Amino acid sequence: ETGVTQSPTHLIKTRGQQVTLRCSSQSGHNTVSWYQQALGQGPQFIFQYYREEENGRGNFPPRFSGLQFPNYSSELNVNALELDDSALYLCASSFLANTGELFFGEGSRLTVL
Amino acid sequence: GQQVMQIPQYQHVQEGEDFTTYCNSSTTLSNIQWYKQRPGGHPVFLIQLVKSGEVKKQKRLTFQFGEAKKNSSLHITATQTTDVGTYFCAGETSGSRLTFGEGTQLTVNP
Repeated sequence: ETGVTQSPTHLIKTRGQQVTLRCSSQSGHNTVSWYQQALGQGPQFIFQYYREEENGRGNFPPRFSGLQFPNYSSELNVNALELDDSALYLCASSFLANTGELFFGEGSRLTVL
Repeated sequence: GQQVMQIPQYQHVQEGEDFTTYCNSSTTLSNIQWYKQRPGGHPVFLIQLVKSGEVKKQKRLTFQFGEAKKNSSLHITATQTTDVGTYFCAGETSGSRLTFGEGTQLTVNP
């Protein structure tokens, strides 16, 4: 086990709704990265948080936003959900930004109807 | 932007056969990582390669990083049913985040 926990594990939303996904990073890790993994695809980088600040963003629209808290846990928020947002959302923590092994959580499986 | 391509997309082998997956980047990488994702699971880190021409072994797994630091390979000798899963390479360039390939899905027939 990596020590990275995510909630909820599964959820179903309808188009236009909003969703918040949560992640607790591994003890001692100050960096959290979020990835979107569509079925049969590799993980796509959404953004990274380092010491409560956004530290890089992938090619995702502004309706994808996030937060990191003083205890280094993190949230991913997605507004105005679209059908294509259906995917596995993975949180990964690491000790340092920009380098080194990523420790992934089990993921949150989002289905948008 | 940076692209990382993996081939093959799927590989079916008989238990005991060897398996190789190849990874190519459109840009020179500072390092490359390999992950394994079991069906229904999450990616699990296998290894990181940093040096040009580097070769690392983990039991039956051999990882190589190309001389130009733009390609890599993972070779599994004598596959076992426990090797089933999708293998991803993920390349990192200076100042950018890990870019994952599409993965190679390995099935092993007992």
